[in-house]
Amino acid sequence: DQQVKQNSPSLSVQEGRISILNCDYTNSMFDYFLWYKKYPAEGPTFLISISSIKDKNEDGRFTVFLNKSAKHLSLHIVPSQPGDSAVYFCAASDNAGNMLTFGGGTRLMVKP
Amino acid sequence: DAGVIQSPRHEVTEMGQEVTLRCKPISGHNSLFWYRQTMMRGLELLIYFNNNVPIDDSGMPEDRFSAKMPNASFSTLKIQPSEPRDSAVYFCASRQGRGESPLHFGNGTRLTVT
Repeated sequence: DQQVKQNSPSLSVQEGRISILNCDYTNSMFDYFLWYKKYPAEGPTFLISISSIKDKNEDGRFTVFLNKSAKHLSLHIVPSQPGDSAVYFCAASDNAGNMLTFGGGTRLMVKP
Repeated sequence: DAGVIQSPRHEVTEMGQEVTLRCKPISGHNSLFWYRQTMMRGLELLIYFNNNVPIDDSGMPEDRFSAKMPNASFSTLKIQPSEPRDSAVYFCASRQGRGESPLHFGNGTRLTVT
């Protein structure tokens, strides 16, 4: 049973445009949500996070939106750059914070 | 800081052999996680430790898998005997704190069992 789902395995965007990556979850006990970026042959690296008490968190070109009622979060990248091309993982943890459950990932390709 | 260090980067072994993957977490981090990445199942948590103590190993697929953390700076994941379906990339990650504190991942060990 996948508690965190990323339904789009891939996304292609033109440089300079907005990239929107989506994530859905089923466990209402999740309290923290994080996005990771992964390049080939490397481990995932932390990008941005949001607590369930917020609905938006922004860091430079990256913004994460959380809709608790819909159990949905999204990552917006504006403007997209070719160096953003990577696999993006959505992850969630409960309020104990000890476990982190990952979605299946979305491969983003930003075309020059 | 050198980050989380995993060894080896690549491991090729024959079915039935014992495989040991190693991890050195970031100094000062109190939690350590082992994940496995496959095409079919994505990133799945195998086991995690808090302060060197295994907290939840429910993700360990079978008794063939075992993990230890003898001290705060070292952990191993062992597969004995290995099988072709164990072929995957195994990641180790560490963290200080909980909740929003991000995990720091190593670069993984790519295991191929023939």
